Amino acid sequence: DGGITQSPKYLFRKEGQNVTLSCEQNLNHDAMYWYRQDPGQGLRLIYYSQIVNDFQKGDIAEGYSVSREKKESFPLTVTSAQKNPTAFYLCASSIVADTSKLFFGSGTQLSVL
Amino acid sequence: QQPVQSPQAVILREGEDAVINCSSSKALYSVHWYRQKHGEAPVFLMILLKGGEQKGHDKISASFNEKKQQSSLYLTASQLSYSGTYFCGGAAGNKLTFGGGTRVLVKP
Repeated sequence: DGGITQSPKYLFRKEGQNVTLSCEQNLNHDAMYWYRQDPGQGLRLIYYSQIVNDFQKGDIAEGYSVSREKKESFPLTVTSAQKNPTAFYLCASSIVADTSKLFFGSGTQLSVL
Repeated sequence: QQPVQSPQAVILREGEDAVINCSSSKALYSVHWYRQKHGEAPVFLMILLKGGEQKGHDKISASFNEKKQQSSLYLTASQLSYSGTYFCGGAAGNKLTFGGGTRVLVKP
């Protein structure tokens, strides 16, 4: 079955540590996205990518980095510069950037130790 | 800038109707609607691509007023399964940004 896989489901970060969240899709979608969701809040866009080897900052990119070396993969690194990283992180993909529906992964809950 | 949704929360009895509004200060190419159940990923409901276009999903429908940059989601004869948080997403310049969400609770 096609879909988006995020791992791990739960992740803990120590102070000063970088952590990487994985996102893989086998839907052959060109566009991929990372969103952050805080309790009771909406989805805020961190980074998005429309094509391999290219990505753009979203609304809250500071303290995060991404790469898009393969069409199927769009990992997100939460760096030590992100001072408030505790949140639910959702990865999504779509056929094209703005006119097709988003398919979401099941999310990663990141907490600070 | 994120789209603005209202109301923030609504409580319904089964069978009642509700309207959720979404407005944007930016010109939008399309409007998306998603529903998220507690602890789960958001699930796509519908996209509206043209001004004035209305679409439906079961007894959930939506409209898009391109002139006013506003969209409304209509929950008709609500069912228990309609409970969740509804998000509108506005697409402009290849970027999809979401509103803050509207929590809907349907009670028996």
